[in-house]
Amino acid sequence: AQSVAQPEDQVNVAEGNPLTVKCTYSVSGNPYLFWYVQYPNRGLQFLLKYITGDNLVKGSYGFEAEFNKSQTSFHLKKPSALVSDSALYFCAVRDSLNTGNQFYFGTGTSLTVIP
Amino acid sequence: DTEVTQTPKHLVMGMTNKKSLKCEQHMGHRAMYWYKQKAKKPPELMFVYSYEKLSINESVPSRFSPECPNSSLLNLHLHALQPEDSALYLCASSQPDRRNSPLHFGNGTRLTVT
Repeated sequence: AQSVAQPEDQVNVAEGNPLTVKCTYSVSGNPYLFWYVQYPNRGLQFLLKYITGDNLVKGSYGFEAEFNKSQTSFHLKKPSALVSDSALYFCAVRDSLNTGNQFYFGTGTSLTVIP
Repeated sequence: DTEVTQTPKHLVMGMTNKKSLKCEQHMGHRAMYWYKQKAKKPPELMFVYSYEKLSINESVPSRFSPECPNSSLLNLHLHALQPEDSALYLCASSQPDRRNSPLHFGNGTRLTVT
């Protein structure tokens, strides 16, 4: 079975400080991992995806994600948080078996960047 | 700006009404999805179409009826909904043959059932 877990419902960080939003995964086969951000009353916006062989993946708006196979983690990071980064963040994994059309989402982490 | 367009943005309907949600994508994707999302929760999969054929139905009640007229369009027909069906309905698209292809979402339709 494919799944992702986001252990923190809420993360608070001061503006200008580095931020980390955590995600761990459980997959059979290769991991196809993604991060999304959702602002109020908007759809989910794709930030970045894991690329096989890259332990550090860069994405949109200065975000990056660190892949760690031994810890089965794919944490989202940003060196310097902005107030505008405050939003709901979802980690997701795509089914690597069967038809591969299903995506499994984490429960979401609400990020608040404090001015 | 999103490349997946959903209309209407807001919809209020009574429990006896019939309405439709529409989604259009011009990304050349051949998989299209309907999700339901409650506040501060992850999206819940409802239906997946792959190459215009229904490939996943997550045991959705029959008061929701999907339709995929062509590779760019996806509709969700609504009939006799319940107040608990009030939610944000999201359409998304992806490539069905490339597992590293992400979902691309529209901005959703905010549905209120009165």
